[in-house]
Amino acid sequence: DADVTQTPRNRITKTGKRIMLECSQTKGHDRMYWYRQDPGLGLRLIYYSFDVKDINKGEISDGYSVSRQAQAKFSLSLESAIPNQTALYFCATSDSGTGTNQPQHFGDGTRLSIL
Amino acid sequence: LAKTTQPISMDSYEGQEVNITCSHNNIATNDYITWYQQFPSQGPRFIIQGYKTKVTNEVASLFIPADRKSSTLSLPRVSLSDTAVYYCLVGPGYALNFGKGTSLLVTP
Repeated sequence: DADVTQTPRNRITKTGKRIMLECSQTKGHDRMYWYRQDPGLGLRLIYYSFDVKDINKGEISDGYSVSRQAQAKFSLSLESAIPNQTALYFCATSDSGTGTNQPQHFGDGTRLSIL
Repeated sequence: LAKTTQPISMDSYEGQEVNITCSHNNIATNDYITWYQQFPSQGPRFIIQGYKTKVTNEVASLFIPADRKSSTLSLPRVSLSDTAVYYCLVGPGYALNFGKGTSLLVTP
């Protein structure tokens, strides 16, 4: 979805480095999410945020932190990167709407390699 | 959240109808069933969502029996461009784990 922008698209870095992945959206959605995808494992939820002051851990939050700087911006940080965090990372957004079943809209992903 | 089970992979020829079934025995009363499509190196894309009976849009149909313990995504007359991974999710529209999905391969 062109309205959900992830930067950088690709990143190669070394073990122990601090890395920040950024996500911004122009959809006006209040909910944002970070997922990682590993070959053969599908997508797994890292963190999600329902609004600027609401941040929640997902299934695999260890080793990650997030910051919701504004409604439109949600960044994911790896404080000290390790090789098993090499993966494809996706940001997604959804509207709260009138119910809780609004579909998610995904960015194009950030391919992260940690050597 | 309800656990879902779907086939790991499926094969089809162009022009055929493809049905992908997802089992979700412990679906809750307020849960919806949502399907996404993902092409390689792209983010998943919403296809269709339903609560009960049948839902149809320009891309697919979703069949849900009365007990809601399973659902079937139907793709009419698939083409090569329908080769993708299809995910079945059950629950509220947030904080969902997609699982491994069904990898559909369409060949000429």
